[in-house]
Amino acid sequence: DVKVTQSSRYLVKRTGEKVFLECVQDMDHENMFWYRQDPGLGLRLIYFSYDVKMKEKGDIPEGYSVSREKKERFSLILESASTNQTSMYLCASSSQGATGELFFGEGSRLTVL
Amino acid sequence: AQSVAQPEDQVNVAEGNPLTVKCTYSVSGNPYLFWYVQYPNRGLQFLLKYITGDNLVKGSYGFEAEFNKSQTSFHLKKPSALVSDSALYFCAVRPSGGYNKLIFGAGTRLAVHP
Repeated sequence: DVKVTQSSRYLVKRTGEKVFLECVQDMDHENMFWYRQDPGLGLRLIYFSYDVKMKEKGDIPEGYSVSREKKERFSLILESASTNQTSMYLCASSSQGATGELFFGEGSRLTVL
Repeated sequence: AQSVAQPEDQVNVAEGNPLTVKCTYSVSGNPYLFWYVQYPNRGLQFLLKYITGDNLVKGSYGFEAEFNKSQTSFHLKKPSALVSDSALYFCAVRPSGGYNKLIFGAGTRLAVHP
């Protein structure tokens, strides 16, 4: 079974802390994505990566950075967490090409106090 | 601006009745269209997609969707709803030339009552 694994399902952090969210896929996919999900807003793209060490900003990159040192791993970093970053974070991957669907991880619910 | 609209926040259906979850889009060119389902505290699962060809596409769990180019719609349907279909459903569009990014709708909560 194909799999996208997010390292933490639930995290509670304090304002100003640095937060790492990690995602690993076992499908040898070129593309990886980080989305943020908030009620009534659907999924909003934070960053995506189409190759190792390559990244592009999505729709809401402010306050976030990413790292992709290996093909299978894509990390989302909150340099200084703020309360408005409390959300569900979803990682996804897909093969190269426009017709492939995204495969999602189970999500990481982050609460910033 | 490119966008996806799911006009209903919630759809209520009795078990055994047909269901429709609506989706319309506003993107340029010939987009690729997707439906995903999300169960509580889980990630999204792929249901079906339209790439080209027959306007009626069939997917997982008995779901199907109809692509209508003139109405720029891609409504999700199922002939007979199950209580276990209760979940959050997302429509998504990948614009042509949009690399691999998907634009998601806000989601529609489907509640199937016994």
